[in-house]
Amino acid sequence: GQSLEQPSEVTAVEGAIVQINCTYQTSGFYGLSWYQQHDGGAPTFLSYNGLDGLEETGRFSSFLSRSDSYGYLLLQELQMKDSASYFCAVRDLGGGADGLTFGKGTHLIIQP
Amino acid sequence: EPEVTQTPSHQVTQMGQEVILRCVPISNHLYFYWYRQILGQKVEFLVSFYNNEISEKSEIFDDQFSVERPDGSNFTLKIRSTKLEDSAMYFCASSKQQGSGEKLFFGSGTQLSVL
Repeated sequence: GQSLEQPSEVTAVEGAIVQINCTYQTSGFYGLSWYQQHDGGAPTFLSYNGLDGLEETGRFSSFLSRSDSYGYLLLQELQMKDSASYFCAVRDLGGGADGLTFGKGTHLIIQP
Repeated sequence: EPEVTQTPSHQVTQMGQEVILRCVPISNHLYFYWYRQILGQKVEFLVSFYNNEISEKSEIFDDQFSVERPDGSNFTLKIRSTKLEDSAMYFCASSKQQGSGEKLFFGSGTQLSVL
């Protein structure tokens, strides 16, 4: 089976940088994804790491270390609209599942 | 940008009743999924569907659940006899491909309330 651990809540200030960590345990591994979900909204894809290293997409970056079973999402120049929940998710080859397994989500609170 | 559409946005039903949740995936996508999210909890995988058959299902997806692609555009989730614990937001998703870096597009969800 799979398990993912991420902080339940993170608070940051507008304009600052915040990092949301995710550690995972899977019987196989096929990449780490990040999704954003605003209250009452649908999850939207942010980023994917299949290999070790940093992926950058505008203000958002995501990092993966497969040897440490660890990844993070980095949000820069925080804006109030970034207040949302952020989920890491894995697709586990060992589980044979086509579906993503999501973490419990990190609620990001942005303060002015 | 193309999007996944779901209807209805809200569904209220009595325990034991059958419900059908409807989804129209993005037209050139080949992989379809249902997920659910109980209020305040994580998004949970239910089932994936490809080439007109279920390719994978989770433990949640028991005999009370079924999926169907009745025509070239719709993708439905049926719950035969709803239970109180089926109350959740149900998300349909689709993707163009499966594998490395696949990006799931989620619909806006159907909030199911079982009374």
